[in-house]
Amino acid sequence: GQQLNQSPQSMFIQEGEDVSMNCTSSSIFNTWLWYKQDPGEGPVLLIALYKAGELTSNGRLTAQFGITRKDSFLNISASIPSDVGIYFCAGQLSNTGNQFYFGTGTSLTVIP
Amino acid sequence: DVKVTQSSRYLVKRTGEKVFLECVQDMDHENMFWYRQDPGLGLRLIYFSYDVKMKEKGDIPEGYSVSREKKERFSLILESASTNQTSMYLCASSLPRSIDNYQPQHFGDGTRLSIL
Repeated sequence: GQQLNQSPQSMFIQEGEDVSMNCTSSSIFNTWLWYKQDPGEGPVLLIALYKAGELTSNGRLTAQFGITRKDSFLNISASIPSDVGIYFCAGQLSNTGNQFYFGTGTSLTVIP
Repeated sequence: DVKVTQSSRYLVKRTGEKVFLECVQDMDHENMFWYRQDPGLGLRLIYFSYDVKMKEKGDIPEGYSVSREKKERFSLILESASTNQTSMYLCASSLPRSIDNYQPQHFGDGTRLSIL
């Protein structure tokens, strides 16, 4: 399957700090998604990106679809304790119908 | 809101047993997916289905099978459970891809399966 490299693998930050994470691939994707998984629950969709260069916000979260279509970025501003969780990127190739490929996840810990 | 329900949150089985994991969605989605989630490996697709009685292999189908007899239900079957199948299993559903947009997947809360 496709390899999505997500970094960093884990982050420990102080409450109020901004967070940046990214996802890269060797293949060109037509769609990028960002999910968050709270402990003990399934992933929940945060942001969906459909066009190269697209910048989309959802509250304190902002994600961008890279111009090369091989990467995507997620930023969280002014982090709060409930931001704790695992963040996954997911990408879809143009020729794989409904299948998404997932990154390995970024584990975020926010220290109050 | 989309509701994807997995029948068990935690399950413990023995090596060699036949194991059934059930998933039901209430939004009339055509597509359903089974993933396993392991530390450091992210989510890996086992099988997916885009219609009743249809199934497609994902990236790691070995040791698994699936059943989709009804649109709302997608079952994952471990024919003869082994210890390396101890994992978190996640079910997801989505609408089919449209002309303009790709449809995101909605996940259940997962089943943590332990094979002893």
